[in-house]
Amino acid sequence: NAGVMQNPRHLVRRRGQEARLRCSPMKGHSHVYWYRQLPEEGLKFMVYLQKENIIDESGMPKERFSAEFPKEGPSILRIQQVVRGDSAAYFCASSPSPEQTSGNTIYFGEGSWLTVV
Amino acid sequence: AQSVTQPDIHITVSEGASLELRCNYSYGATPYLFWYVQSPGQGLQLLLKYFSGDTLVQGIKGFEAEFKRSQSSFNLRKPSVHWSDAAEYFCAVGARRTGRRALTFGSGTRLQVQP
Repeated sequence: NAGVMQNPRHLVRRRGQEARLRCSPMKGHSHVYWYRQLPEEGLKFMVYLQKENIIDESGMPKERFSAEFPKEGPSILRIQQVVRGDSAAYFCASSPSPEQTSGNTIYFGEGSWLTVV
Repeated sequence: AQSVTQPDIHITVSEGASLELRCNYSYGATPYLFWYVQSPGQGLQLLLKYFSGDTLVQGIKGFEAEFKRSQSSFNLRKPSVHWSDAAEYFCAVGARRTGRRALTFGSGTRLQVQP
């Protein structure tokens, strides 16, 4: 039973380029979460998605960042015109639907480390 | 809004010694509570979780945590630390309503284990 799969694991981008991070949730999970971890800090919530819907994007920066979770395929976190401050580890997590669990345990992927040079 | 405080940024213990990592939360009702561990360059692994019932929760790798409502705490403990336990530990709180299911994390406690 594969876990949450993220790719790429490491990504280097020059300032001004675009970064795309992909996340495939665990089998049977319909909820996806993206978190960002800046160096020496904890995880900060960015966005929570279900298939084709953004449920909560209260943690997303207002500009340059977007996320989607299409009907088919992985969830994508897209960062346009990257800046050095975007360098961080981006973690995806997934969980089953609320009806399938008595609590909201979420399972994390291995992370994608973005370095902006 | 919920929040989590891990007051100890960095803790060093000797191998074989006991360990307690502190976690305090702020939430209007009884939350879901979690402890995750992260090794360098790796993702987060769930150690244990509290949803309801027995306030002493057993987890993997010999860890346990106790939910104390009166103190708004969920401290993580291990009676005898192994060198492989060196990692960063995160406490997290989750809301019980489905509209806000994402977890809020503390800033983490880095554990070093001395031989």
